[in-house]
Amino acid sequence: AQKVTQAQTEISVVEKEDVTLDCVYETRDTTYYLFWYKQPPSGELVFLIRRNSFDEQNEISGRYSWNFQKSTSSFNFTITASQVVDSAVYFCALSEPYSGSARQLTFGSGTQLTVLP
Amino acid sequence: DTEVTQTPKHLVMGMTNKKSLKCEQHMGHRAMYWYKQKAKKPPELMFVYSYEKLSINESVPSRFSPECPNSSLLNLHLHALQPEDSALYLCASSQGQAIQTTYEQYFGPGTRLTVT
Repeated sequence: AQKVTQAQTEISVVEKEDVTLDCVYETRDTTYYLFWYKQPPSGELVFLIRRNSFDEQNEISGRYSWNFQKSTSSFNFTITASQVVDSAVYFCALSEPYSGSARQLTFGSGTQLTVLP
Repeated sequence: DTEVTQTPKHLVMGMTNKKSLKCEQHMGHRAMYWYKQKAKKPPELMFVYSYEKLSINESVPSRFSPECPNSSLLNLHLHALQPEDSALYLCASSQGQAIQTTYEQYFGPGTRLTVT
């Protein structure tokens, strides 16, 4: 069965610090997809990134970067020079396209990030 | 334009009321989803519609009744709810449901439901 673990329940940093959110997953499939979503206090989940299991290249988008390591089953998310607007709950999620669960998302429990001014 | 809209934003209803939540997307997506989210928890999948047909019902009580009138609209009809049904209800859409891939889902802002 698939599982996503976000061990950091809450993280607090001061503005301009770098912060890394950890995500560890479990799956028996060789084909799977990983996602990160941001949920600000307003409630809407904002899609950040989708990565398939065959693409291990790290990705950078502005202040955001993602480190995908199949060897450790991790898909960590780093925010560089954090800003107050980055304060939100961040969810990591996993999907197995060939599984009986019809390719639905398994979410981690989320990490509450607070960026202090 | 990656936008999913939901109405109403807030809803307070009694246990004997009947109400409906509405969701709309104009991205040409063919899969739409309802999730329930309790405070400090991840979203839980309730229903999936693929090409306007119900493809997944995650053992949701019958007091929740989904409807997909067309490819852009998704409703969730509520009847005889319990206080424990109070939660944030999120709608999402994705490009489709394909065997070999999982497309990203785009979420609406949600409806905060309180059952009294």
